[in-house]
Amino acid sequence: SSELTQDPAVSVALGQTVRITCQGDSLRSYYASWYQQKPGQAPVLVIYGKNNRPSGIPDRFSGSSSGNTASLTITGAQAEDEADYYCNSRDNSGNHVVFGGGTKLTVL
Amino acid sequence: QVQLVESGGGLVKPGGSLRLSCAASGFTFSDYYMSWIRQAPGKGLEWVSYISSSGSTIYYADSVKGRFTISRDNAKNSLYLQMNSLRAEDTAVYYCARELDTAMGRFDYWGQGTLVTVSS
Repeated sequence: SSELTQDPAVSVALGQTVRITCQGDSLRSYYASWYQQKPGQAPVLVIYGKNNRPSGIPDRFSGSSSGNTASLTITGAQAEDEADYYCNSRDNSGNHVVFGGGTKLTVL
Repeated sequence: QVQLVESGGGLVKPGGSLRLSCAASGFTFSDYYMSWIRQAPGKGLEWVSYISSSGSTIYYADSVKGRFTISRDNAKNSLYLQMNSLRAEDTAVYYCARELDTAMGRFDYWGQGTLVTVSS
């Protein structure tokens, strides 16, 4: 199965824009999904497909993809956005799912 | 509203077995594909297994294949994970999650998780 690579930690000043990236061969074939996880809570889907947000997800969250890299962008980061963010996709076999290692976002 | 409630976690010795359940409500369970995902303490997410809406298609992560069995009972709106030959590295919070659609790997609702601890 393929792997997805994320930076372990990223920080952003309050109100600024931050991009979290995810790299992997499977992203050439499949879109990534992005999840937000706060301590002690289950993950929440924030972006899926080309750039789709589930109901209730603020529009400051957006997604993009190019080649083997998917990105989650938070435009105007808020204190409540501080969390771990995970990307995932199907792997190259098409019958497994892979997750990135996660990125811890700190809002300064 | 959509609810997924896991149960069945606990402390088990290496080599032992455990059966997890996930009770679904607030949606037509039989229409949706489902997955189990786990998270070891302080670690990232790891996909475990997937089952189609009818149960006819099943996939497993290599790390659990041959030891874990996913199943569902659409009449009872329930998802299950039978875990045999448990190892210390299976210690994790186990989440059941609903697949957004047939695309696989897009989980739009998650349960709160149930903790499985494998230790002697």
